[in-house]
Amino acid sequence: LAKTTQPISMDSYEGQEVNITCSHNNIATNDYITWYQQFPSQGPRFIIQGYKTKVTNEVASLFIPADRKSSTLSLPRVSLSDTAVYYCLVGDWVDAGNMLTFGGGTRLMVKP
Amino acid sequence: DTGVSQDPRHKITKRGQNVTFRCDPISEHNRLYWYRQTLGQGPEFLTYFQNEAQLEKSRLLSDRFSAERPKGSFSTLEIQRTEQGDSAMYLCASSPREGLETQYFGPGTRLLVL
Repeated sequence: LAKTTQPISMDSYEGQEVNITCSHNNIATNDYITWYQQFPSQGPRFIIQGYKTKVTNEVASLFIPADRKSSTLSLPRVSLSDTAVYYCLVGDWVDAGNMLTFGGGTRLMVKP
Repeated sequence: DTGVSQDPRHKITKRGQNVTFRCDPISEHNRLYWYRQTLGQGPEFLTYFQNEAQLEKSRLLSDRFSAERPKGSFSTLEIQRTEQGDSAMYLCASSPREGLETQYFGPGTRLLVL
């Protein structure tokens, strides 16, 4: 499993766009990039996954450059309810059991 | 609510006691996972079931830990002779198929060992 590095914490204000970058220099050819979100006292929940270029859904966008050694999670116009920890995970589609390997995550604080 | 449920939500116990947690996955999800999360850290994988078969166990799962999924539906995680270092949030997740994006987590059981 590729090791990931992401900022420990970030602050933002309501209405701003937030970009969280994750480094994964040792990403393998078969690896996908997956992001989970965790609110206090809840389990993580999946928000977006991509392999290359750009992926967008109703929650976020994921930008992946051609070399795939990093990725950026973009949250448009954040609100107070986006305050959470965001985890970047990198792994193969068929990793043994698909167990998720979480790093420390990025703690996002959205202020009014 | 048809999400993953866990019981109890909180447990306080004294060192040396045994505790058992229950997880009810989303109906028809054949994969079930247990994770442990300590304060300020991401969840750590403990073990994984496909139906009733336990297919993977982490080195974190010492001999004092045992997990079962007897009928391929709900699962239990038991910790024997609890230690203060066992204090953590124990998370259960279920999944209908392969894929890193497919895991649905429960709210967790927070254990405090005094």
